[in-house]
Amino acid sequence: DQQVKQNSPSLSVQEGRISILNCDYTNSMFDYFLWYKKYPAEGPTFLISISSIKDKNEDGRFTVFLNKSAKHLSLHIVPSQPGDSAVYFCAAKNAGGTSYGKLTFGQGTILTVHP
Amino acid sequence: NAGVTQTPKFQVLKTGQSMTLQCAQDMNHNSMYWYRQDPGMGLRLIYYSASEGTTDKGEVPNGYNVSRLNKREFSLRLESAAPSQTSVYFCASSVNYGYTFGSGTRLTVV
Repeated sequence: DQQVKQNSPSLSVQEGRISILNCDYTNSMFDYFLWYKKYPAEGPTFLISISSIKDKNEDGRFTVFLNKSAKHLSLHIVPSQPGDSAVYFCAAKNAGGTSYGKLTFGQGTILTVHP
Repeated sequence: NAGVTQTPKFQVLKTGQSMTLQCAQDMNHNSMYWYRQDPGMGLRLIYYSASEGTTDKGEVPNGYNVSRLNKREFSLRLESAAPSQTSVYFCASSVNYGYTFGSGTRLTVV
């Protein structure tokens, strides 16, 4: 039961264009969403997050959009740069129960930005 | 500031052998986690520790045990390694939802 899904295993984009990474979730109890970026041979690092009470959060070239009714979020990178090439993980936090800040991660999307 | 340190970085085990993956954090975080990363599966939670002295099972705990030795250290033990445990293992610590990950341990079980 994959509660957080990234249905695109990979995405290829030209430098300077927009990259859009998508994520769907099934659990209505998720109240906080995050994106992590991972380079080869390194651990994931935090990129940007959004609370369920918002529909957009922006940080420089990165913007995350949340559509609660569709249980869908997306990460926009504009403009894309070759250094953005990495694996991007979507993650969600459950508001209920004894979650203690546990995150549920998606499968990841490999982004390749070509010069 | 080292953050989260994992040892070893690479390990090859034979089926049935045991080993312990070590993790230490120097950020005074209460919560610590062990995840495994497999192709097409993303990051799956094995065990977590909300605070010193407590541990709980995550999504895929079978075949593993953990010890929260103190606030800094959280180890993962494989008692009898199986090929299905070939994976990359990540330790993380957090305050609220800001996870800091270690650089990972690549484990191969042959």
